[in-house]
Amino acid sequence: GDSVTQMEGPVTLSEEAFLTINCTYTATGYPSLFWYVQYPGEGLQLLLKATKADDKGSNKGFEATYRKETTSFHLEKGSVQVSDSAVYFCALSGVQFYFGTGTSLTVIP
Amino acid sequence: GAGVSQSPRYKVAKRGQDVALRCDPISGHVSLFWYQQALGQGPEFLTYFQNEAQLDKSGLPSDRFFAERPEGSVSTLKIQRTQQEDSAVYLCASSIEREQFFGPGTRLTVL
Repeated sequence: GDSVTQMEGPVTLSEEAFLTINCTYTATGYPSLFWYVQYPGEGLQLLLKATKADDKGSNKGFEATYRKETTSFHLEKGSVQVSDSAVYFCALSGVQFYFGTGTSLTVIP
Repeated sequence: GAGVSQSPRYKVAKRGQDVALRCDPISGHVSLFWYQQALGQGPEFLTYFQNEAQLDKSGLPSDRFFAERPEGSVSTLKIQRTQQEDSAVYLCASSIEREQFFGPGTRLTVL
């Protein structure tokens, strides 16, 4: 069945460091792929999405490219800020919506 | 506000009590999903509605869990005879064009 495998955390980075959070997926058909962010005490917010192969989603300095050949959708940001501290979830939309287990990111000044 | 709202935000129940969790989706969104999120985990699918029709309830963990959306708008997730393992955050999302919009969740604690 469809599934998402996400890099385990927690991840701790210094401010302005480069971020990569790995995400790979298994799916039949052609799913849409998403990254959601969950700040402490809040609900999930859509960060970015890609609906077909080779699409690049981007928002707030974050980027992810839908790679069909490697079945991946890795999240990247060139320079993280303290305000980026949150839990990040990779997800795919197939028959249902499937989420990874989440990666906790802490950015220290 | 035009977002998804859920109530209550927090619920404490004694083991064996029944609880009802409410979700108000974004107006006009046909699809509505319920998820269970255990501490430190990603959301797990519970059930899905399209309008008032419950199209998939394969994620409901037991027959103590019941969801309804009688008029195709507000939805209620009911848990009967709550158990400690039911403690989690219950998330509701409404959806359009494969994108899901989440409510803030209801944190259920069963003592």
